Amino acid sequence: GAVVSQHPSRVICKSGTSVKIECRSLDFQATTMFWYRQFPKQSLMLMATSNEGSKATYEQGVEKDKFLINHASLTLSTLTVTSAHPEDSSFYICSARRGQLSYEQYFGPGTRLTVT
Amino acid sequence: SQQGEEDPQALSIQEGENATMNCSYKTSINNLQWYRQNSGRGLVHLILIRSNEREKHSGRLRVTLDTSKKSSSLLITASRAADTASYFCATDPNQAGTALIFGKGTTLSVSS
Repeated sequence: GAVVSQHPSRVICKSGTSVKIECRSLDFQATTMFWYRQFPKQSLMLMATSNEGSKATYEQGVEKDKFLINHASLTLSTLTVTSAHPEDSSFYICSARRGQLSYEQYFGPGTRLTVT
Repeated sequence: SQQGEEDPQALSIQEGENATMNCSYKTSINNLQWYRQNSGRGLVHLILIRSNEREKHSGRLRVTLDTSKKSSSLLITASRAADTASYFCATDPNQAGTALIFGKGTTLSVSS
């Protein structure tokens, strides 16, 4: 089946620094990718929809200047957490649809971000 | 945004028993999916049921969908300790470019 990878799988950073997380679709082109955040013992919350070649669409309450999304190619979307704070510590998961009308959505393995 | 509500939030059973989890949602859907997540790990896709389907089976899993009540259930039969995980339903409007929306999840604990 289709595979979506994320890098890094774990990252620890200091407060005030920025962290970039990559999401790659390995064997298909993804015009649309999604970024979710999951706090401990909670569900996945959609943060934003990443569209190749255009600006991302952010969900209500998600700061676009803090969570920068770039979808520069059909196989890569990046999420940069800028000026990270301890409250940004979370599990970040990306997903990609194989095609616009495809039922199938493939999830990456997630990135555990810890901000100290 | 989050539109699904699962119940129960937590479920503890013995090995061999059946586990039933329910999911309710609010808007129209094209399909509904169930996922499993082991603690600290990624999601595992379990089963997808389309809006025109009422029941679907996959191994020890049985999923039902009632679009009139906007609800779904996941039944795991003859549960095993390895089934211990969190289970989430996710609704898919399948409009072009839209994301799956996840419910709050049920934490299942199966003891041996």
